Amino acid sequence: EAQVTQNPRYLITVTGKKLTVTCSQNMNHEYMSWYRQDPGLGLRQIYYSMNVEVTDKGDVPEGYKVSRKEKRNFPLILESPSPNQTSLYFCASSLSAVSNQPQHFGDGTRLSIL
Amino acid sequence: AQSVTQLDSHVSVSEGTPVLLRCNYSSSYSPSLFWYVQHPNKGLQLLLKYTSAATLVKGINGFEAEFKKSETSFHLTKPSAHMSDAAEYFCVVSDPNFNKFYFGSGTKLNVKP
Repeated sequence: EAQVTQNPRYLITVTGKKLTVTCSQNMNHEYMSWYRQDPGLGLRQIYYSMNVEVTDKGDVPEGYKVSRKEKRNFPLILESPSPNQTSLYFCASSLSAVSNQPQHFGDGTRLSIL
Repeated sequence: AQSVTQLDSHVSVSEGTPVLLRCNYSSSYSPSLFWYVQHPNKGLQLLLKYTSAATLVKGINGFEAEFKKSETSFHLTKPSAHMSDAAEYFCVVSDPNFNKFYFGSGTKLNVKP
């Protein structure tokens, strides 16, 4: 089954404790992206990747890091999480950015930073 | 710069009546526009997309949207609401290179029996 898989689905942690949210897709997609969803704000793009080893900032990249060492994986790293990063996070992928393909979304990761 | 405004945060309709979810966009270029739906505790699913072909776009589950350049609008409609349509809907515009995506704040659709 074609899917985007995020782990963990839920996480409660404390300020300053490094964490990684994994994202994996099995569709051989070139483009991957991370979003955060906050009430009343819709989804905002954090980082995106056009292909392996190619990443770039979205609208709200502060406090986040990403890497794209393999085509299928695109982890989101919070080096020193803070309470304002409490949010619902989505990973998405699409076949290719240049062809305007629709994005496929994971089921989300709910992070609570205390 | 690109941006999207969804004019209603909540819309409530009765089952079997028409649905109208409103979206206005701002774009420096000819935009690509999308509507996504999010059911509770789920990721987003594409309903339809506009990419400068026909201005009336048909999507899944009976939804359609009309691109009106003069009004900078891309409203989502459905002739007859079903209970399963209850969800949150997002209007999205992409930048010209399709790298960055800008979401509206969402419209929650409630369908009453």
